[in-house]
Amino acid sequence: NAGVTQTPKFRVLKTGQSMTLLCAQDMNHEYMYWYRQDPGMGLRLIHYSVGEGTTAKGEVPDGYNVSRLKKQNFLLGLESAAPSQTSVYFCASKSPVAGRNSYEQYFGPGTRLTVT
Amino acid sequence: AQKITQTQPGMFVQEKEAVTLDCTYDTSDQSYGLFWYKQPSSGEMIFLIYQGSYDEQNATEGRYSLNFQKARKSANLVISASQLGDSAMYFCAMREGPIYNQGGKLIFGQGTELSVKP
Repeated sequence: NAGVTQTPKFRVLKTGQSMTLLCAQDMNHEYMYWYRQDPGMGLRLIHYSVGEGTTAKGEVPDGYNVSRLKKQNFLLGLESAAPSQTSVYFCASKSPVAGRNSYEQYFGPGTRLTVT
Repeated sequence: AQKITQTQPGMFVQEKEAVTLDCTYDTSDQSYGLFWYKQPSSGEMIFLIYQGSYDEQNATEGRYSLNFQKARKSANLVISASQLGDSAMYFCAMREGPIYNQGGKLIFGQGTELSVKP
């Protein structure tokens, strides 16, 4: 199993450009999440999804859109990038099924995004 | 509002000694979950340990244990017999609401950077 993968690993954008970050998981998890991590801070939730075709806002959703067209994929879009969106972006997934391993969110390796 | 506080930006510990990383939380929910994650310099998030609010025993996972004091709203991580590979950033996190609530979202603290000295 690859677990949770993120594409790309690094990206540099100019202000106003758009891009899409792809998250894929092969664990058949229902729940998926996008977080951002700024220097010296913990992760903050941007958007999340509890199933295919559903999305919801997290703590810091402004400037981002998401889509969950397939259960295994969760896309994060930046329509018009701003320097304030320079950050490391983490995707995670989780199973809602009862059991020990259901507690844990499994994280991808992160995408480092710089907006100049 | 739910909140996680880690008051130690940085900690040093001698190799083979034990170290406690502090975490306090604030929530009005009766049912919640507490997590610790490790983030080494390579950047990935590694799950360490979980404690449910109704769990009577403190959670343990190998060299990691969670000192859960519900009345004080604290969930400190204890690492026994520190190793050089334990040097990393450690994050405390809380799941809002019951384990089967909609979403299982996590709130993270700001982290504690642990350095293990040889």
